[in-house]
Amino acid sequence: NAGVTQTPKFRILKIGQSMTLQCTQDMNHNYMYWYRQDPGMGLKLIYYSVGAGITDKGEVPNGYNVSRSTTEDFPLRLELAAPSQTSVYFCATQDLSEYEQYFGPGTRLTVT
Amino acid sequence: GQNIDQPTEMTATEGAIVQINCTYQTSGFNGLFWYQQHAGEAPTFLSYNVLDGLEEKGRFSSFLSRSKGYSYLLLKELQMKDSASYLCAVMDRLTGGGNKLTFGTGTQLKVEL
Repeated sequence: NAGVTQTPKFRILKIGQSMTLQCTQDMNHNYMYWYRQDPGMGLKLIYYSVGAGITDKGEVPNGYNVSRSTTEDFPLRLELAAPSQTSVYFCATQDLSEYEQYFGPGTRLTVT
Repeated sequence: GQNIDQPTEMTATEGAIVQINCTYQTSGFNGLFWYQQHAGEAPTFLSYNVLDGLEEKGRFSSFLSRSKGYSYLLLKELQMKDSASYLCAVMDRLTGGGNKLTFGTGTQLKVEL
């Protein structure tokens, strides 16, 4: 039971490049979330999903896209990387009947 | 709007007790969380309060007063491994379902000998 896994752990991108951050869970949770955490700041919600085929914007969605084709996977896409997207990205899941959100180990992204 | 305030840094001595305060002003409220985050790692769940009062779990306790928009995390018998950032977060329901967590910036706790 791996819980929530994220790949890659680290990535350096050049301005204008694109990439996909992967998030996979084996907990069969309906809700999934993407957060970003800038240095010395709290986490901010980028996108979320309440189930396969359903996604919605969070607090800071600009510059990102998501999809949810299966319960297990919730990838986050950066199309045109910008230095402002340098951050640590955390994926989280939550069961319908629970209040706790379970976080993945994070992806540290640098855009130069 | 959402506003969550907590001290930036605190220092305490091993074996002592420390209280980390959090005040919040949010448009919705469905519970308050405390998370622990060690440097370079993911946040891990410590406590959840949705009703007023004190919740105790081992060396950690959390208190909530909804009328005052106030919570605190109490850590007893401090250990060196408790050195970490402590994040206060308020949960609110999202219109499409699910729950949004709004986080404070975190309190960096340093435990010294």
